[in-house]
Amino acid sequence: AQSVTQLGSHVSVSEGALVLLRCNYSSSVPPYLFWYVQYPNQGLQLLLKYTSAATLVKGINGFEAEFKKSETSFHLTKPSAHMSDAAEYFCAVSETSYDKVIFGPGTSLSVIP
Amino acid sequence: NAGVTQTPKFQVLKTGQSMTLQCAQDMNHEYMSWYRQDPGMGLRLIHYSVGAGITDQGEVPNGYNVSRSTTEDFPLRLLSAAPSQTSVYFCASRNMGGRDGSSYEQYFGPGTRLTVT
Repeated sequence: AQSVTQLGSHVSVSEGALVLLRCNYSSSVPPYLFWYVQYPNQGLQLLLKYTSAATLVKGINGFEAEFKKSETSFHLTKPSAHMSDAAEYFCAVSETSYDKVIFGPGTSLSVIP
Repeated sequence: NAGVTQTPKFQVLKTGQSMTLQCAQDMNHEYMSWYRQDPGMGLRLIHYSVGAGITDQGEVPNGYNVSRSTTEDFPLRLLSAAPSQTSVYFCASRNMGGRDGSSYEQYFGPGTRLTVT
């Protein structure tokens, strides 16, 4: 069965610094991977998704993620953090394009002025 | 399009009471799902459905029932509420991808905040 781990339940970065949020997955087949963001008291919004077309995926708001099969990882990065990036970030995996989607526990990102 | 709608937004129940959380989508999505969100646990899948008449269990199905009689609606039933079911519940829907590798993201409703006392 597929699963997701996210190292670091809380990450703090200074404004303008690199953002790195870690995601590792377990899947018996090549997975479909997603990153979602949740702002305080709001629902979830898709940041980006990996569907095997390219290993480096660009998303909204300057975020990108790289799929590394050998490391079973799909880490999320942004070169320069902005105050508005403070939110909860969730990595998710699906083993097929028509199957259930399993989420990781999330990482809360704080941005320090 | 209204997208994914959920009712009610807030609900307080006493232990042992039953209720149904409503979820509807107007995007003709085949796939619908229910998650609960708890601090430090992320979103955990309760039940999901890949089409009308088809449902399956997720990671934490105990204490919850679902049915899918139409494409649009996917209600979640709590038969006998327990304090452990205090949570925020999200419904989501998506198109199901094809075997050509296409995949589609889930669209989430605004959530229902449930407290069981």
